[in-house]
Amino acid sequence: EAGVAQSPRYKIIEKRQSVAFWCNPISGHATLYWYQQILGQGPKLLIQFQNNGVVDDSQLPKDRFSAERLKGVDSTLKIQPAKLEDSAVYLCASSLGPDRARWQYFGPGTRLTVT
Amino acid sequence: ILNVEQSPQSLHVQEGDSTNFTCSFPSSNFYALHWYRWETAKSPKALFVMTLNGDEKKKGRISATLNTKEGYSYLYIKGSQPEDSATYLCAFGSSNTGKLIFGQGTTLQVKP
Repeated sequence: EAGVAQSPRYKIIEKRQSVAFWCNPISGHATLYWYQQILGQGPKLLIQFQNNGVVDDSQLPKDRFSAERLKGVDSTLKIQPAKLEDSAVYLCASSLGPDRARWQYFGPGTRLTVT
Repeated sequence: ILNVEQSPQSLHVQEGDSTNFTCSFPSSNFYALHWYRWETAKSPKALFVMTLNGDEKKKGRISATLNTKEGYSYLYIKGSQPEDSATYLCAFGSSNTGKLIFGQGTTLQVKP
């Protein structure tokens, strides 16, 4: 079974620049998550999609972050403009459904450094 | 605010040692507790999901227990090997919210 794919793996940008991350979930997984993991902290949910609809984006800084999941498959997460505090690992995960008892399958993450 | 704490933050052991970590979570509105292993430069991988008080899960040398009434879970590794070196994350699922809340992780280094 192919895993969750993410690109790029690493990105370095200057503050105020924009950046986009891409995620391809496991085939058939209806639920897709984007997490932000800042060094020394646990992953924090930014946004959760069920098919192509948003279930939870309560912790997404909407003034600078946006995400979409067109056609209910691939997803992109964008930051515009980036701030120094956005330096983190951005993890994409997918699961068969939104039940919190379902395993989540993670991609390798994108490590973002904002200088 | 839901708080999930893991201890210790990091651990260095010798090959062959057995070790355990703790995940503390709210004792109310429990729904599920996850354990993940995250090796450097790889994807976090699910180890266990537990939903019932008293649950015990085992996979090879790794096992986990769950106490929902007091709000903790233990992860045990018997006879640690260098390939067990990783960060171990726990995540709490509440019946009140639809998302998982992750702890900050325990980083294990096993020296040959």
